[in-house]
Amino acid sequence: NAGVMQNPRHLVRRRGQEARLRCSPMKGHSHVYWYRQLPEEGLKFMVYLQKENIIDESGMPKERFSAEFPKEGPSILRIQQVVRGDSAAYFCASSPDSLKTQYFGPGTRLTVL
Amino acid sequence: AQTVTQSQPEMSVQEAETVTLSCTYDTSESDYYLFWYKQPPSRQMILVIRQEAYKQQNATENRFSVNFQKAAKSFSLKISDSQLGDAAMYFCAYRSAQGSNYKLTFGKGTLLTVNP
Repeated sequence: NAGVMQNPRHLVRRRGQEARLRCSPMKGHSHVYWYRQLPEEGLKFMVYLQKENIIDESGMPKERFSAEFPKEGPSILRIQQVVRGDSAAYFCASSPDSLKTQYFGPGTRLTVL
Repeated sequence: AQTVTQSQPEMSVQEAETVTLSCTYDTSESDYYLFWYKQPPSRQMILVIRQEAYKQQNATENRFSVNFQKAAKSFSLKISDSQLGDAAMYFCAYRSAQGSNYKLTFGKGTLLTVNP
């Protein structure tokens, strides 16, 4: 059973460009969570999605960030007009329901030049 | 809001010896879950162990065990017979057991070095 997949593993963008991060949950998991890890910090919750629904986006910055989890395909975290402060590791986790353990993907390391 | 505190930014242990990593948390809830995740240099987050607050028995997974003190809001991780592969950043995390509150709240981590 394949684990949570994230791609790309590393992404380099210049200021003002867009970043798209993808997450494919484990088979049988319909709940996806995105977390951000800034340097020297623990992970911070960003958004929780189920298929075609955003359940909680309270951890998302109000501007430039958006997330989706369509009926078909991976979950996407989109960052528009990236700034240097967006440089971080972005982790996706999935679970079969909201009460079960969340299993993490390998993360995407975003570097903004 | 819940908070998780890991007071040891770094720890080191000799191979084959035992080390304990500390974690305390703050919550007003009575039912919740606690986790230890390991993040090796690959940066993959790996679940090490999980504890349900309603269970008095401490969780154990092979060489990893916890000392869960609910009244003291303490959740330490003990690694026995340490191996070089245990070297990693270890994060303690809290999650409410209420169905509507699924966010994991993480501590800042403890960097564990294993000396040969």
